[in-house]
Amino acid sequence: KNQVEQSPQSLIILEGKNCTLQCNYTVSPFSNLRWYKQDTGRGPVSLTIMTFSENTKSNGRYTATLDADTKQSSLHITASQLSDSASYICVVSKYTGGFKTIFGAGTRLFVKA
Amino acid sequence: DVKVTQSSRYLVKRTGEKVFLECVQDMDHENMFWYRQDPGLGLRLIYFSYDVKMKEKGDIPEGYSVSREKKERFSLILESASTNQTSMYLCASSLFQREGLILGNEQFFGPGTRLTVL
Repeated sequence: KNQVEQSPQSLIILEGKNCTLQCNYTVSPFSNLRWYKQDTGRGPVSLTIMTFSENTKSNGRYTATLDADTKQSSLHITASQLSDSASYICVVSKYTGGFKTIFGAGTRLFVKA
Repeated sequence: DVKVTQSSRYLVKRTGEKVFLECVQDMDHENMFWYRQDPGLGLRLIYFSYDVKMKEKGDIPEGYSVSREKKERFSLILESASTNQTSMYLCASSLFQREGLILGNEQFFGPGTRLTVL
């Protein structure tokens, strides 16, 4: 069964601290993995995308890693800011004649001053 | 910049009413999607469309229908709203997903419509 599991469900950190969000998937055949950020009251926006041949991708203070062998990805946020408070959604796509996209439930991050 | 707009941010309807949610994109994307988002469940695909007048069922199409009369517009219809359809509805669009274009399926989302059915 194609699934994307994220942990933790929610996380509270102090401003300036680092954090890591996890994503495990069982989607096959794997095409690509994206991390989206969804601010409250807005639609998700893509942060990073990785294919099976890439194991790390950075976007400013966001660094995503991918281990295609163990089917795990992480999103590391460095020096968190209040504006990082959002939901982070891991999305895995497969291609079998057409793309199918499977969304994780998301991790809700709260950054406190 | 891709822009996806949805007709309402908040909507309150009564059980049994017919509800129309409108979505418009301005980037000439072939694909358009309707999702609902519920706490702990993530985004679930209701319907999608890869061309004008074409539609495909997603994972949870029951109780919904869609219409795509123009390329830029994709409508979600609740024929007879029920309380279990209270949710956040998100529309998205993307370029056509051609084989080999493995990075080509980024979806661009609208701001969402929070629908409450009383």
